[in-house]
Amino acid sequence: EVQLVQSGAEVKKPGESLKISCKGSGYSFTTYWIVWVRQMPGKGLEWMGITYPGDSDTRYGPSFRGQVTISADKSINTAYLQWNSLKASDSAMYFCARHGSGGATKDYFDYWGQGTLVTVSS
Amino acid sequence: EIVLTQSPGTLSLSPGERATLSCRASQSVSNLAWYQQKPGQAPRLLIYGASNRATGIPDRFSGSVSGTDFTLTINRLEPEDFAVYYCQQYGNSPITFGQGTRLEIK
Repeated sequence: EVQLVQSGAEVKKPGESLKISCKGSGYSFTTYWIVWVRQMPGKGLEWMGITYPGDSDTRYGPSFRGQVTISADKSINTAYLQWNSLKASDSAMYFCARHGSGGATKDYFDYWGQGTLVTVSS
Repeated sequence: EIVLTQSPGTLSLSPGERATLSCRASQSVSNLAWYQQKPGQAPRLLIYGASNRATGIPDRFSGSVSGTDFTLTINRLEPEDFAVYYCQQYGNSPITFGQGTRLEIK
């Protein structure tokens, strides 16, 4: 069974750093792109970027380039999303998901993590 | 970037009725998916490639396309179908989502 399990909710202060995770199981983790999607409170879905665990190739959406870092560690089947200096506007639910077709960089998302709620408040 | 405009914003229907949700693209789109999201849950893939049902999705869900207009049809609404629905285009970078349609019980 394909599963993506995300790390738990976080409460941080502005300026702090944070790294959240997404652990895949039940499939070949290195041959499917992983995407990160942001959902701000009461709002829609936003594509942040993708990483290919097989070779660490990473792409970012224009709104998120330079704001976050996406990475993966194929030895432990885990993808990451990290911030160096959080802002209140980073408060949101963050989902990881798997590309449905494996190697395609532009794809639909067939399996999703449960989401990680990040709250940034002083 | 391709803008996807979903309509209506909210659709109020009763169980057993048919729902028709629209997603219009600002330019030609080669690939489109539909997702369902319930409160407190992750999105769930319903349709990919405009008209292909994802694994385990009931056949009352169907997708179609005419030019840049995409439609998700849900026949014989069940109580569990009331949720928010998003379209997503994945033919062009960056990938974009529509703003969502809320399907609520009348």
